[in-house]
Amino acid sequence: EVQLVESGGGLVKPGGSLRLSCAVSGFTFSNAWMSWVRQAPGKGLEWVGRIKSKTDGGTTDYAAPVKGRFTISRDDSKNTLYLQMSSLKTEDTAVYYCTKVSGGYYHYFDYWGQGTLVTVSS
Amino acid sequence: DIQMTQSPSSLSASVGDRVTITCRASQRISNYLNWYQQKPEKAPKLLIYSASSLQSGVPSRFSGSGSGTDFTLTISSLQPEDFATYYCQQSYSTPRTFGQGTKVEIK
Repeated sequence: EVQLVESGGGLVKPGGSLRLSCAVSGFTFSNAWMSWVRQAPGKGLEWVGRIKSKTDGGTTDYAAPVKGRFTISRDDSKNTLYLQMSSLKTEDTAVYYCTKVSGGYYHYFDYWGQGTLVTVSS
Repeated sequence: DIQMTQSPSSLSASVGDRVTITCRASQRISNYLNWYQQKPEKAPKLLIYSASSLQSGVPSRFSGSGSGTDFTLTISSLQPEDFATYYCQQSYSTPRTFGQGTKVEIK
């Protein structure tokens, strides 16, 4: 059974930093492309960024609102995905979902974690 | 960035109704279009990928169609468990943008 379990959310002040983790099981993590998607309270879904598998280069892409502030990384030995967030703004308040990317270029999110809430407030 | 526009933003329907949700892309995206269902306080769930391919385990009353800029998600006979918010998402280019969502409510 595929499982993605996020952790690390919480309350942080504007300008602060936070690192989210996503522990995965049930598939070969090292071969998978992974993404983070967020959802502000009462709002729609917003793609945050993606990391390719190391065999595909391990490169990352980010949405414009987080580029330069957020960093996605992975530890294949621990089957864990990370989202390092810095210079946080109130508009970063959201539930953050870890997702598995499938379909090659069709790039759809076939498995999602339960989400972890990040609240940026003074 | 490619903008995705869903219509309607919300709709009321009864159990057994045929429901259609439309998604329009701001530029041509071939069939690089996916649909998700989200229930309150839950993570989204993939329903349809590549515009018309049904994800494993998803009931056959869900179907998708379209290509280019106009796409449709159809629920052939609405069931009580289908009341939720539905999102389209384009995978043609980065950033991978979502529509604003369509909330399907009980009439």
